Amino acid sequence: RKEVEQDPGPFNVPEGATVAFNCTYSNSASQSFFWYRQDCRKEPKLLMSVYSSGNEDGRFTAQLNRASQYISLLIRDSKLSDSATYLCVVKGDGVGNKLVFGAGTILRVKS
Amino acid sequence: NAGVMQNPRHLVRRRGQEARLRCSPMKGHSHVYWYRQLPEEGLKFMVYLQKENIIDESGMPKERFSAEFPKEGPSILRIQQVVRGDSAAYFCASSPSGSFNGYTFGSGTRLTVV
Repeated sequence: RKEVEQDPGPFNVPEGATVAFNCTYSNSASQSFFWYRQDCRKEPKLLMSVYSSGNEDGRFTAQLNRASQYISLLIRDSKLSDSATYLCVVKGDGVGNKLVFGAGTILRVKS
Repeated sequence: NAGVMQNPRHLVRRRGQEARLRCSPMKGHSHVYWYRQLPEEGLKFMVYLQKENIIDESGMPKERFSAEFPKEGPSILRIQQVVRGDSAAYFCASSPSGSFNGYTFGSGTRLTVV
């Protein structure tokens, strides 16, 4: 079983749609959680951290359910520029800040 | 304040040659991480270094790969006797010591082995 699992998609949505991505992780001792965004052939960029209480950044809302080991990302009012691969990322409980990346979910927003 | 700098951006090597990838962390950052992304796959952790120390190399292949982060100068990821399967994007990230809230990646080095 992969440490971090995501639906690869692609999710094809029209502009203005709301879309949700889910992710599960296997290590119950994981400490920190993130969503990164990766555009084609570029470096991953930190989108937001994810907290148990849920957190929002503009059109983006992230949620963590530790009991179910489940992370979600909601994007409201999708823009063409949101088209990218969204990476679910988990920091384990080991030494240092090693991150474990999911394989990513592809989002395509169409006009 | 420059971000994480990686060079070269693109590197082409023939099978059997050596590849050297460089990473300069953000100013004030003393922790460096190397990740590899094979075509159509996710990022995989390779190695975590602090100045002059390898802290975690659990993701490094056992042979041909080595990494260093000297007291002065950039971190170097070295691949000896490259093979076609080494073709990938290699990303470096850095973080400061202390609290952690995700890290910033460099723009990567794309290695192509021909």
